[in-house]
Amino acid sequence: DAGVIQSPRHEVTEMGQEVTLRCKPISGHNSLFWYRQTMMRGLELLIYFNNNVPIDDSGMPEDRFSAKMPNASFSTLKIQPSEPRDSAVYFCASSFRAGGGRQFFGPGTRLTVL
Amino acid sequence: AQRVTQPEKLLSVFKGAPVELKCNYSYSGSPELFWYVQYSRQRLQLLLRHISRESIKGFTADLNKGETSFHLKKPFAQEEDSAMYYCALSGSQGGKLIFGQGTELSVKP
Repeated sequence: DAGVIQSPRHEVTEMGQEVTLRCKPISGHNSLFWYRQTMMRGLELLIYFNNNVPIDDSGMPEDRFSAKMPNASFSTLKIQPSEPRDSAVYFCASSFRAGGGRQFFGPGTRLTVL
Repeated sequence: AQRVTQPEKLLSVFKGAPVELKCNYSYSGSPELFWYVQYSRQRLQLLLRHISRESIKGFTADLNKGETSFHLKKPFAQEEDSAMYYCALSGSQGGKLIFGQGTELSVKP
C-alpha cells in the first residue's frame, strides 16, 4: 500500500480562485481526517469522516471551506473563494476506527494563495 | 475542555545530551496519548503511544495521570532526532486527535 495519497503536492493560486485538494485514504480504513498546519496555529483538525459520513466539521473555518467523501477511497477539500490567509499545508489522514486512534498521514498539500 | 499543551516551541540540545519534550493534557476521562514526529520534508508519523508502553528510537513516554502529563524522553539525543514533535490526545476509540502546538527539537553536533 502506498499509504495516504494527496494531490496536488503544491498549489499556487490567486485570491478568489477555487481550490480543490484531493485525498485517497489507505484501503480498508474507515475514518478520514483533514488537518491544516500553519506556523501560528500548528495542526488544526478541520473535519473528519467515519464510513464516508462527516462526523465533526467544527474546525472548518468558514463557509468558504467544504469537504466531501463520495466513497471510501476518495475525499476532497474545497476552498471557494480562496484568500491569502488560507495559505498553509493541508494534511489528510486515515485510520481504522478500531485501531486504537493511530492515524496515518499523507504527505500534505502546500497551498499558497497570492 | 480537551486540550494538549506543549510549552516549548523550540528545544535545542547538544548531541549526547538528555532530552525531554513536555506535554500536558486536559481531559475528563481516560484518554489515549500519542507522540507524532515530523522529520524535515516528511509526513507526520506515529512515534509511540502510551498503551503500547514501548521504546522507539530510544524514546520513551510515561503517562502520569496525577500530573496529566505525557513527557517524551531520550537519554542521549542524536542529530537525526532533529524534527518537529507533536503530542496528541484521543478521547475515544479511533476518534479524532487533538494535537499540541508542537515542539521543534534541534540536536546540535
